[in-house]
Amino acid sequence: SQQGEEDPQALSIQEGENATMNCSYKTSINNLQWYRQNSGRGLVHLILIRSNEREKHSGRLRVTLDTSKKSSSLLITASRAADTASYFCATDSGTYKYIFGTGTRLKVLA
Amino acid sequence: EAGVAQSPRYKIIEKRQSVAFWCNPISGHATLYWYQQILGQGPKLLIQFQNNGVVDDSQLPKDRFSAERLKGVDSTLKIQPAKLEDSAVYLCASSPYRAGNEKLFFGSGTQLSVL
Repeated sequence: SQQGEEDPQALSIQEGENATMNCSYKTSINNLQWYRQNSGRGLVHLILIRSNEREKHSGRLRVTLDTSKKSSSLLITASRAADTASYFCATDSGTYKYIFGTGTRLKVLA
Repeated sequence: EAGVAQSPRYKIIEKRQSVAFWCNPISGHATLYWYQQILGQGPKLLIQFQNNGVVDDSQLPKDRFSAERLKGVDSTLKIQPAKLEDSAVYLCASSPYRAGNEKLFFGSGTQLSVL
């Protein structure tokens, strides 16, 4: 079963623009993570935000979490062609069981 | 540190045949996961091991899928007999199972095509 629903399903932007993708989930969580997947590869961890945090930054990434709305957003600033990938949110309810969302396919045009 | 190793990278079989996938997690990682990722979808958790015990296999189709983790290290996932709808990428992931370090480390996956 999918815990998270991401939107948009697909996003196409120009290099240098910002990309924002959203994740909504259904049940209470301990933490929420974002992963990137390049075509034909495994997933790579990007950033983790805990349920008691509201915002977190890592380089060009900014993640927000609103537990009252059960939603999170990932912002990639000044996007590059190399950011072209699928992005997934994953939630953990405290049991180390990670449930992934449906993903957002990002295409950054040079 | 060495990453999560999976083999084979690709597998093509006919329906009703059997197939097995192998995973070697990062050394010292207590938790191991198998995910199924159908094209265009997010990874779906099939089974979660803690050392060599099963923590969650609620999404594993047990009539055809089986998995084991011998000695709490390597793991194999088997499908017998395969169906067309089993065509997917099978991803193995491991995690240290330690508060403060909850992220997953993924292998490159095995792409299965069932004809």
